[in-house]
Amino acid sequence: QKEVEQDPGPLSVPEGAIVSLNCTYSNSAFQYFMWYRQYSRKGPELLMYTYSSGNKEDGRFTAQVDKSSKYISLFIRDSQPSDSATYLCAMILNAGGTSYGKLTFGQGTILTVHP
Amino acid sequence: NAGVTQTPKFQVLKTGQSMTLQCAQDMNHNSMYWYRQDPGMGLRLIYYSASEGTTDKGEVPNGYNVSRLNKREFSLRLESAAPSQTSVYFCASSPWYSNQPQHFGDGTRLSIL
Repeated sequence: QKEVEQDPGPLSVPEGAIVSLNCTYSNSAFQYFMWYRQYSRKGPELLMYTYSSGNKEDGRFTAQVDKSSKYISLFIRDSQPSDSATYLCAMILNAGGTSYGKLTFGQGTILTVHP
Repeated sequence: NAGVTQTPKFQVLKTGQSMTLQCAQDMNHNSMYWYRQDPGMGLRLIYYSASEGTTDKGEVPNGYNVSRLNKREFSLRLESAAPSQTSVYFCASSPWYSNQPQHFGDGTRLSIL
């Protein structure tokens, strides 16, 4: 079993739809959570960073963390064709673990927003 | 503000040739990383440098060497390239090796024939 599971999709939605992207993880020591967006032939770009349970909002993007369920989500409101990309979740263990500081990625979800 | 810059962007090598991938960051970050990204395998850490003067192996270090030249620059060397090293290589940096998110360059696409 992978430490971080992410549905690879692909996910195709119409413009203006609300998109929900999800990751589950098995190690409760993960404490810091990120979402990256990766366009074709580009590097991952940091979208959201959070370390507490609950919601964090930035424009059309909302990151949600539920540590009790070991589940994180990224919501995209009013999705645009320019949001078409691969979305990667990533997380870091808390201090004290031997892998502290190591970024563990999900496999990525391919999203297409069509006009 | 360039962030993380990688050179070259593309390279084709023959088996057995050597190659150094260059990475520089202008964010005054202390920690730097090298990853490879392959279809179905995701991003895998090759080597990292938690701070200037230190380097450590990641998940897939075999066949690679690294040099932290100074605080800004971190290079990755393939001494004798093999077809299995065909991949997209990403460099990243973060303020410290801890709970900080990493910032990535746009990658080097490397093909080994």
